[in-house]
Amino acid sequence: SAVISQKPSRDICQRGTSLTIQCQVDSQVTMMFWYRQQPGQSLTLIATANQGSEATYESGFVIDKFPISRPNLTFSTLTVSNMSPEDSSIYLCSVGRASGANEQFFGPGTRLTVL
Amino acid sequence: GQQVMQIPQYQHVQEGEDFTTYCNSSTTLSNIQWYKQRPGGHPVFLIQLVKSGEVKKQKRLTFQFGEAKKNSSLHITATQTTDVGTYFCAGHTPLVFGKGTRLSVIA
Repeated sequence: SAVISQKPSRDICQRGTSLTIQCQVDSQVTMMFWYRQQPGQSLTLIATANQGSEATYESGFVIDKFPISRPNLTFSTLTVSNMSPEDSSIYLCSVGRASGANEQFFGPGTRLTVL
Repeated sequence: GQQVMQIPQYQHVQEGEDFTTYCNSSTTLSNIQWYKQRPGGHPVFLIQLVKSGEVKKQKRLTFQFGEAKKNSSLHITATQTTDVGTYFCAGHTPLVFGKGTRLSVIA
């Protein structure tokens, strides 16, 4: 399994600001994903981070709000832009070996609170 | 979009009792995955089922994939306090998670 780290682990931000979350993997992986998890809720896929091309966003998520970078096979960032209290959540990156049909390994998550 | 339904939402059991969570999809799944998330932790992959009617065991955990590949179940025999957490099923591509079943075990 891959070892995944995320920075920051938590943050408290003001409304209207932006936060960039980093995800680092200890080995090269094909697929990287970004999820959002409200406390006590399930995981919702935000987007698939594609290396060398634009991320693929799920319904309800747009690039202007959640820009994603994937400069190489071990690193990705997710930015939460122009934040509002509704963006308060846990953001998790995960990696998979091939397509989404294979098991995913999750990072420890970033707990974001927007005031 | 694709959905995966999971019941029950919560389950409280006495230590030593059995526990089962059920997962259902309206469309055929190529595979089903199960994850466990401890309180305050991140989801951890448990198992993947691929074949119709497949049954896999991990110690006290038994996973089943339905014959039609539209439903699955996770059964824990003789629960222990270490089983506490939320169990998620997930299917489709990209992966869609069920709402999870939160298991509490009373010692």
